[in-house]
Amino acid sequence: GENVEQHPSTLSVQEGDSAVIKCTYSDSASNYFPWYKQELGKRPQLIIDIRSNVGEKKDQRIAVTLNKTAKHFSLHITETQPEDSAVYFCAATGGTSYGKLTFGQGTILTVHP
Amino acid sequence: GAGVSQTPSNKVTEKGKYVELRCDPISGHTALYWYRQSLGQGPEFLIYFQGTGAADDSGLPNDRFFAVRPEGSVSTLKIQRTERGDSAVYLCASSLRGGSQPQHFGDGTRLSIL
Repeated sequence: GENVEQHPSTLSVQEGDSAVIKCTYSDSASNYFPWYKQELGKRPQLIIDIRSNVGEKKDQRIAVTLNKTAKHFSLHITETQPEDSAVYFCAATGGTSYGKLTFGQGTILTVHP
Repeated sequence: GAGVSQTPSNKVTEKGKYVELRCDPISGHTALYWYRQSLGQGPEFLIYFQGTGAADDSGLPNDRFFAVRPEGSVSTLKIQRTERGDSAVYLCASSLRGGSQPQHFGDGTRLSIL
């Protein structure tokens, strides 16, 4: 089955800096890669996603890049704000997984004012 | 409703008891998923429904766990003979269709087995 590795496990930045979180996946048939933000005690919230036919997608301060050959994808947050502080999870699905999301271990992002 | 609704939000029960967790998906969403999240971990897949049928139940840990979705909308996750290791947040998600589609999560049920 699919295996997703996520790094780093914790990330601390100053307000206004950029943050990058990286994930690798194992199943070359995976074709959908969402990113979720989860605040303490809250639901995972879908913030951006990318499909395997696209190399990059951007939504305001958030962007995701995908390298299918290397089987890795990354989340980029620019001009970070304290309210960006949360746990971020990457996930993958597709191929034989068909809808079943496999999540990474999560990254605790802290943005210091 | 506007989002995925899960009840109860918290459930505390004794080891060996039976529990039922309910999920009401976004109206019109045909696919429904159950995940389990332990502290400090990412959600782990349990079961996926497409309509009324379980399309993939490969994540259910053992036969104490069972889920139904009889009318293709609300789903119930049932756990028999609960164990302390079952303690976790149980999350439900739904998507418009199955497959590689955006999944939207509910707030979860925090299950504590004493």
